[in-house]
Amino acid sequence: EVLLVESGGGLVQPGGSLRLSCAASGFTFSSYVMNWVRQAPGKGLEWVSLISASGDYSYYADSMKGRFTISRDNSKNTLHLQMSSLRAEDTAVYYCARSLPQFAQYESWGQGTLVTVSS
Amino acid sequence: DIQMTQSPSSLSASVGDRVTISCRASQGIGSYLNWYQQKPGKAPKLLIYAATSLQSGIASRFSGSGSGTDFTLTISSLQPEDFATYYCQQSYTTLITFGQGTRLEI
Repeated sequence: EVLLVESGGGLVQPGGSLRLSCAASGFTFSSYVMNWVRQAPGKGLEWVSLISASGDYSYYADSMKGRFTISRDNSKNTLHLQMSSLRAEDTAVYYCARSLPQFAQYESWGQGTLVTVSS
Repeated sequence: DIQMTQSPSSLSASVGDRVTISCRASQGIGSYLNWYQQKPGKAPKLLIYAATSLQSGIASRFSGSGSGTDFTLTISSLQPEDFATYYCQQSYTTLITFGQGTRLEI
C-alpha cells in the first residue's frame, strides 16, 4: 500500500522559515516524480512544486520561486520542502503527492500538514 | 501559465440526479486533464485521468469527456457520498494548474 505522511507543519512568523517532510512507503520512491500541492483555508488546490525521480530537476509555481526549495532523499524515501521568507498568504495545508507517468495524474496523496504564518 | 476555469462554481442537486461539471483550458491541452474529488478535511482523490480514463476503484457512474480546451465530468446518478468539491487539473505543461473547484451540494 502506498503511504505518504507529511510532517513539519506549524506556526511560524512572517519572514520565517519552515521545512516540511513527506515520508513515503509501499512503493519504489526513487522511480516517481513527487509533488507538493497546497490549499489555503476555504480555498482551492494550488500546485507548489515538483521534483524529478532522480532529483535532477525541479519546477515551482511563480509565487514560490526563489522562496521554496524542493528536494528528496531517495536513500531515505523522503521528500522535503524548504520554505523561507514566509508570508501570511502561504498559510495552507500542504500535501505531498505522487504523480504517475505520461499524464502526471496525482494518484496518491498524503493527509497534509498545516502551515500557519502569523505573528 | 494555462488557466483552468470550472463551471459552475457551485451546484445543488439531489440523489439520483445526473450532473455535469465543465472545465475549460485557456489553451489546448490535448487530453492532459485529470479530475479529483475532495471531501472536507480530506486529501483529494483521483477520479479521472487523461480526460476519459476511470481511475481504478472509482465507481462507473463517474465519467469524463472532452479534449483540447473543453472538458466535462459527468456523474450519471448522484449518490449521497458524491457530495463534495471537484477539481480539474491540467498536466499538459510542467507548471500544473487546477481549476477553482466546483462545490456539489445537496
